[in-house]
Amino acid sequence: GENVEQHPSTLSVQEGDSAVIKCTYSDSASNYFPWYKQELGKRPQLIIDIRSNVGEKKDQRIAVTLNKTAKHFSLHITETQPEDSAVYFCAANPGTYKYIFGTGTRLKVLA
Amino acid sequence: EAGVTQSPTHLIKTRGQQATLRCSPISGHTSVYWYQQALGLGLQFLLWYDEGEERNRGNFPPRFSGRQFPNYSSELNVNALELEDSALYLCASSSGTGTYEQYFGPGTRLTVT
Repeated sequence: GENVEQHPSTLSVQEGDSAVIKCTYSDSASNYFPWYKQELGKRPQLIIDIRSNVGEKKDQRIAVTLNKTAKHFSLHITETQPEDSAVYFCAANPGTYKYIFGTGTRLKVLA
Repeated sequence: EAGVTQSPTHLIKTRGQQATLRCSPISGHTSVYWYQQALGLGLQFLLWYDEGEERNRGNFPPRFSGRQFPNYSSELNVNALELEDSALYLCASSSGTGTYEQYFGPGTRLTVT
């Protein structure tokens, strides 16, 4: 069945360090992988996405990598700042305009 | 550009009642998605509407239903409410033209007592 596993569930890093969140998907038909950031009490916001024809995408301090063979993708945040503290969700789209979300990673950036 | 809007912000119902939640997509977007986010948990896909039709639904009982209107706004109805239906219900929209980005509304917090 369709499933997205996300690890770790919580992650604490010192300000300025890097953070990495990993996701694995099950449906090989998935071809779009967005990442959302959800701050406390707010809506999920799309922060970066990658399509299956690309292996890596960067946007300033954030990057996403995709390994289609292994069916996993990762979010990398460099030079973390306190405002990066939030819950991050990965998702995969098994080709039907439907997203399957990971269970979320609570990132805490310690000042 | 106005974002996705949802109403009401909060809704309190008792067990067995019905709840109706509303969503207005971004102008020009034809697809609307509904998700349930229980406290501390991830987002569970509920329903997808496009061009007025239900295109897909998640693993939820039939008492979760909805519709999409000609102006692409959408309504989620939950009948025979149960305590475990208490959650944040999020609506998202996309252009439905082959792009996949979904943009979320602020959600409706449903509390069932």
